[in-house]
Amino acid sequence: ETGVTQSPTHLIKTRGQQVTLRCSSQSGHNTVSWYQQALGQGPQFIFQYYREEENGRGNFPPRFSGLQFPNYSSELNVNALELDDSALYLCASSPSGSRFEQYFGPGTRLTVT
Amino acid sequence: DAKTTQPPSMDCAEGRAANLPCNHSTISGNEYVYWYRQIHSQGPQYIIHGLKNNETNEMASLIITEDRKSSTLILPHATLRDTAVYYCIVQVGLDYGQNFVFGPGTRLSVLP
Repeated sequence: ETGVTQSPTHLIKTRGQQVTLRCSSQSGHNTVSWYQQALGQGPQFIFQYYREEENGRGNFPPRFSGLQFPNYSSELNVNALELDDSALYLCASSPSGSRFEQYFGPGTRLTVT
Repeated sequence: DAKTTQPPSMDCAEGRAANLPCNHSTISGNEYVYWYRQIHSQGPQYIIHGLKNNETNEMASLIITEDRKSSTLILPHATLRDTAVYYCIVQVGLDYGQNFVFGPGTRLSVLP
């Protein structure tokens, strides 16, 4: 059974550009959440998708958007990148019916210059 | 904001028990205590969770005080691979869009 995978591993973008990050959930997991982790901080919740619908959102502006596909893979899109968007972006999936465990991927390190 | 308070860092000798404290004085009756850890350059990893009773699994033990206002994660025989940031989180279960609110955690260094 493969775990949660994310691509790319690292990415460098320029302020004002747009970026798409990708996540493949663990097999059998129909819920995916995205977190942003700034250097030296704990992860901050961005949003969650369940069965292709947004199912909760943290305190992030609309330029952070997402998609979940029928195979439960997911994308995080960020428009109009700002320097403060530089962070590790983590994807976490949960199996249907699980109330306690999220399985995190290794993250994508985004640097905005 | 996170509902927990943890010391920013701790050291532990290899082979000894590591006891990581967490204060959660405003915890509600339906909120669980979760522990996750994050080893450098990896995503957070689930360790254990509990509601009222003490819990033990193959990784760790969780001791929750009777008033539930604090808890301790115990790694019984710490190894160098246990060096990580440990997050204590209080949250209801992962229902209906609920997600974890992470604080800065405790950076545990296991020393040889």
